[in-house]
Amino acid sequence: QQQVKQSPQSLIVQKGGISIINCAYENTAFDYFPWYQQFPGKGPALLIAIRPDVSEKKEGRFTISFNKSAKQFSLHIMDSQPGDSATYFCAASLGGYNKLIFGAGTRLAVHP
Amino acid sequence: NAGVTQTPKFRILKIGQSMTLQCTQDMNHNYMYWYRQDPGMGLKLIYYSVGAGITDKGEVPNGYNVSRSTTEDFPLRLELAAPSQTSVYFCASSLRTESHNEQFFGPGTRLTVL
Repeated sequence: QQQVKQSPQSLIVQKGGISIINCAYENTAFDYFPWYQQFPGKGPALLIAIRPDVSEKKEGRFTISFNKSAKQFSLHIMDSQPGDSATYFCAASLGGYNKLIFGAGTRLAVHP
Repeated sequence: NAGVTQTPKFRILKIGQSMTLQCTQDMNHNYMYWYRQDPGMGLKLIYYSVGAGITDKGEVPNGYNVSRSTTEDFPLRLELAAPSQTSVYFCASSLRTESHNEQFFGPGTRLTVL
């Protein structure tokens, strides 16, 4: 019940296309859903986050769509660029102390 | 600000050896965390701390120990290294507020146990 399931494992998108990564969770008590971006050899960095009282959040080319009834959330990257090539992790947090449960990650490659 | 720093960057251990992974943050964050990252498995929480002198177990604490004597430092100790502990280890920190906050990650330590 503490798992966060992420798909796909890997994704290839052409420059200018839309990248979509999906996550699903079971525990309805999760109350914070961030997405982290990780470049090779680096630590993850927060990209965008959403709370379950909001159905969508947009920051630049990055959008989170949240479906509370389906217990799913997704990351959309519009106008994907080669510089977006990285591994993306969804996560969920429950209660205090900011502890995160991470999905398995999606390796995105944007081809020019 | 240097943010979250980790040492060493790489280390090779023999089975049964011990070592300490160092983590320091200069952002005066209350919360600190240790994660391990294995290929295709995401990040798993090993231990976390909510302040100096207070630590607690995460999802995968077996084989590890931590201490938090200061706000800045949160070392992770491996007592008897095993091949299953081959992984990339990340330290992170965040500020304590009423709502959830961003976790800032260090650059990681790549550990191989042979």
